[in-house]
Amino acid sequence: AQSVTQLGSHVSVSEGALVLLRCNYSSSVPPYLFWYVQYPNQGLQLLLKYTSAATLVKGINGFEAEFKKSETSFHLTKPSAHMSDAAEYFCAVSSGGYQKVTFGTGTKLQVIP
Amino acid sequence: NAGVTQTPKFRVLKTGQSMTLLCAQDMNHEYMYWYRQDPGMGLRLIHYSVGEGTTAKGEVPDGYNVSRLKKQNFLLGLESAAPSQTSVYFCASCAGIQFHEQYFGPGTRLTVT
Repeated sequence: AQSVTQLGSHVSVSEGALVLLRCNYSSSVPPYLFWYVQYPNQGLQLLLKYTSAATLVKGINGFEAEFKKSETSFHLTKPSAHMSDAAEYFCAVSSGGYQKVTFGTGTKLQVIP
Repeated sequence: NAGVTQTPKFRVLKTGQSMTLLCAQDMNHEYMYWYRQDPGMGLRLIHYSVGEGTTAKGEVPDGYNVSRLKKQNFLLGLESAAPSQTSVYFCASCAGIQFHEQYFGPGTRLTVT
């Protein structure tokens, strides 16, 4: 069984401030982990993924995430928020066959000018 | 290269009516998925397919049927729509077992009155 918990359904940051979106996972086998971003009225777009290589993963738009097995976490960070980062972010885990992915409930990021 | 496309983009149905949502991908991907997205619940897997002619149930399959007669198309059917099926439906595809990224379509917003 696999599951994902995203802490905080809404996060607000000031433009230029650090972005930190939290994700904890549960998996009975070594997982693959993902962060997706969804802009209003659009589908999901992959930001970054962890597939058992480097634990610090860099993605698009300046985002990165660190896989911490001891904490079962995969938090998403960006050093300096931009207005264009306002969107909903989903953490996801895949540990079974056929690439079935379990998504978290999402975190809406608001960037305040 | 259009990626993943979905038809229609919007639809309003009356309770008891039927309809089919079409998903098409031009990336020659083996795996395809149908999800529904509801506020506060993230994305939930309805059905998936691991190749032409195959389908399997996901997390919330009741009230839906699917078919994958051609590799590039994955159809989602509602035989007798219910208000509980009001949602945004996303199709996704993945290249295969050794790959991990799912590519999403833009979504279909369905309202059942």
